[in-house]
Amino acid sequence: KQEVTQIPAALSVPEGENLVLNCSFTDSAIYNLQWFRQDPGKGLTSLLLIQSSQREQTSGRLNASLDKSSGRSTLYIAASQPGDSATYLCAVRPNSGTYKYIFGTGTRLKVLA
Amino acid sequence: EAQVTQNPRYLITVTGKKLTVTCSQNMNHEYMSWYRQDPGLGLRQIYYSMNVEVTDKGDVPEGYKVSRKEKRNFPLILESPSPNQTSLYFCASSSGQVRWTGELFFGEGSRLTVL
Repeated sequence: KQEVTQIPAALSVPEGENLVLNCSFTDSAIYNLQWFRQDPGKGLTSLLLIQSSQREQTSGRLNASLDKSSGRSTLYIAASQPGDSATYLCAVRPNSGTYKYIFGTGTRLKVLA
Repeated sequence: EAQVTQNPRYLITVTGKKLTVTCSQNMNHEYMSWYRQDPGLGLRQIYYSMNVEVTDKGDVPEGYKVSRKEKRNFPLILESPSPNQTSLYFCASSSGQVRWTGELFFGEGSRLTVL
């Protein structure tokens, strides 16, 4: 059964720091992996989608990598800003024929001004 | 603007009183899904739909019903709500076959409290 884990559950960093959020999954049989951002009281905003054949995706200050064989993905945020404060969720799409994403419980990030 | 719209955003109700949470998307997406989010458990899929009149159970379907009569709408129905259905609910949609594109677009969420 696929499980997704995100460590740490919470993280505080000073503004300007580069940081890495981690996501691990137990079964490498996935179609893709998606990173989301969730602000309090808001829905989930898609940040980056990595297909299983890709190694990384970049958008602005964000870079996500995928290592399927080791069951790991990282989200790199460069030059963090207070506006980056949010909960970051990763989710995997198993290729077992089910039509769903399996989510981690997220990392709550606080960037201090 | 491309979006997924849920209503109501907040609702307090009592045990047993039927309610419907509506979801509508304006992106002509085939795939739609409902998730619930609970502390410590993350998001779990309730139901999904691959297209009009095609729906199937997710991981936690008990106590819920859905319908997909039109492509843009995917309402979630709680026939007899119970306190364990107190949760934050999200509707999501995606274009084409989920396995190929997979990018999910989420609504703003509906916070439901059942007393």
